[in-house]
Amino acid sequence: GAGVSQTPSNKVTEKGKYVELRCDPISGHTALYWYRQSLGQGPEFLIYFQGTGAADDSGLPNDRFFAVRPEGSVSTLKIQRTERGDSAVYLCASSPQWAEGYNEQFFGPGTRLTVL
Amino acid sequence: AQKITQTQPGMFVQEKEAVTLDCTYDTSDPSYGLFWYKQPSSGEMIFLIYQGSYDQQNATEGRYSLNFQKARKSANLVISASQLGDSAMYFCAMRDSGAGSYQLTFGKGTKLSVIP
Repeated sequence: GAGVSQTPSNKVTEKGKYVELRCDPISGHTALYWYRQSLGQGPEFLIYFQGTGAADDSGLPNDRFFAVRPEGSVSTLKIQRTERGDSAVYLCASSPQWAEGYNEQFFGPGTRLTVL
Repeated sequence: AQKITQTQPGMFVQEKEAVTLDCTYDTSDPSYGLFWYKQPSSGEMIFLIYQGSYDQQNATEGRYSLNFQKARKSANLVISASQLGDSAMYFCAMRDSGAGSYQLTFGKGTKLSVIP
């Protein structure tokens, strides 16, 4: 079956521009996560969706970042007024509905964002 | 707050030898899960192994085993019979199983290089 897909794979933009990054999770997975991975670091949590709602957005660095998941499947991460410090790989992960104990997150290949 | 520490930025291992990648964690939650992911140069995060905080036995998955020492708060990954394809970044991660988000907190990673 298809895994998590992310588009585009690479995005180059200029400082101050608006970008959208898309994540298509594994079919049937209700939980969806966005992470950001800066060079030489591990992924850092941004936001978590359970179904259509953002259950936890505590990792979003500021109000320039926003994410939606209107139909409970595809999600879009939106970044306004991009800054050079936003350059990173943005990873999306999905998992089946959470249950006690083990709950693997399946990651997509990521979108590499470069802000010039 | 949760914290994952990986003290080895880089490791070398001879092909067919075993190698241990260190991971220590800090959490106040009695219920948690520990994960190891592999990230090849292609960038995708590949799940390797999981250990629950209440699991009595150390987890094993093929050539991967997790040396879980709860009192020491360590969860080291052991890779037996290393192969050239094992060369990659390895990340230790933790998930708080309490109420709320099920985000993963990652360490900074260890770069493993397998020498022929």
